[in-house]
Amino acid sequence: GENVEQHPSTLSVQEGDSAVIKCTYSDSASNYFPWYKQELGKRPQLIIDIRSNVGEKKDQRIAVTLNKTAKHFSLHITETQPEDSAVYFCAASFNTDKLIFGTGTRLQVFP
Amino acid sequence: DAGVIQSPRHEVTEMGQEVTLRCKPISGHDYLFWYRQTMMRGLELLIYFNNNVPIDDSGMPEDRFSAKMPNASFSTLKIQPSEPRDSAVYFCASLAAPGRGQFFGPGTRLTVL
Repeated sequence: GENVEQHPSTLSVQEGDSAVIKCTYSDSASNYFPWYKQELGKRPQLIIDIRSNVGEKKDQRIAVTLNKTAKHFSLHITETQPEDSAVYFCAASFNTDKLIFGTGTRLQVFP
Repeated sequence: DAGVIQSPRHEVTEMGQEVTLRCKPISGHDYLFWYRQTMMRGLELLIYFNNNVPIDDSGMPEDRFSAKMPNASFSTLKIQPSEPRDSAVYFCASLAAPGRGQFFGPGTRLTVL
């Protein structure tokens, strides 16, 4: 069935370093891939998304890349800051209005 | 726009009681989703609506859970009777159209004693 796998489950980096979170999806018909950031006790918030007709998208310090052949996509955060500490969720839309979420990555950025 | 609105923000109840969670989607968004989040199971989709019609309720855990959307600006998720294992954060999200991001409400933290 529809599935999204996300790795790693936890990630610790030093402030200023880069962080990369990877997701793979099962259905090749997927065409929309958003990323959400959830701070402790808060709601998931959309931070960036990419559609299947694009290979890469950037927004300041964050970028997402998509490899349709391999069916995986990644979130890249450069020059990490303590306020980037949160749980990050990837998701995929299998050509419908429903999102399938990954299991989340807890990112900790140490000063 | 105020975003997605949920009430109450916190609910503490005793086992066996009825619980009703409420959601107001962003105006103009035709889709509404109910999720449940726990440490053990992560973010689970319970049910979603399109134009007030339930489209997929396969995530609803059991008959104790029911959801309605009587109009475009209001939805409820009801648990009757509630059980301790229902304790979780329940999020409502709305979506303007497929292929765009869902926007989440602040959530309702439910504790069933």
